[in-house]
Amino acid sequence: DTAVSQTPKYLVTQMGNDKSIKCEQNLGHDTMYWYKQDSKKFLKIMFSYNNKELIINETVPNRFSPKSPDKAHLNLHINSLELGDSAVYFCASNPGGTPNYGYTFGSGTRLTVV
Amino acid sequence: QKEVEQNSGPLSVPEGAIASLNCTYSDRGSQSFFWYRQYSGKSPELIMFIYSNGDKEDGRFTAQLNKASQYVSLLIRDSQPSDSATYLCATRTTSGTYKYIFGTGTRLKVLA
Repeated sequence: DTAVSQTPKYLVTQMGNDKSIKCEQNLGHDTMYWYKQDSKKFLKIMFSYNNKELIINETVPNRFSPKSPDKAHLNLHINSLELGDSAVYFCASNPGGTPNYGYTFGSGTRLTVV
Repeated sequence: QKEVEQNSGPLSVPEGAIASLNCTYSDRGSQSFFWYRQYSGKSPELIMFIYSNGDKEDGRFTAQLNKASQYVSLLIRDSQPSDSATYLCATRTTSGTYKYIFGTGTRLKVLA
């Protein structure tokens, strides 16, 4: 039973399209995150939700919109996709409020915009 | 200056040797430090965390933290080809809503 699951695993789409990535965790964690990993392996935080409340919103184009219907789910919708959006997007979770607890990552979604 | 810096490598070590991976950070108030291993095409996996100065050992892995010098390192003893991966260092920020800042990772190659 996967702890943090993301769908889809691969996404190939044309510029200008709108797409969504879904994430679900069954760990009972309060906090969920979206990270973007570029081709140089740099992981950059995009958003974080704690128990459905947006708590981190980094400098991300407003074409990206997260949604958390409940604390076990965090989705990412991207409008008007651009070539530069191509990357691997990771969802992660942790209990929140516990400083020495790392993340559990999902398996990632490789987005390719052509 | 990047908040968390790592040498991108690749760091090549022979099988059975000790691999030493280093990380420096800029936020002097950082309290928690994490090492993740990421195999090619896979997600990062937490292998160690440390928050006190000194060494912390877990099997073949030892994390070392020196807050005065603002560096944290990971030693892998008896390196195996299966240890070949990218190792990501991360710290937890101390200001505002806490989040984890990652370095760009060091690619380790263990040669059989």
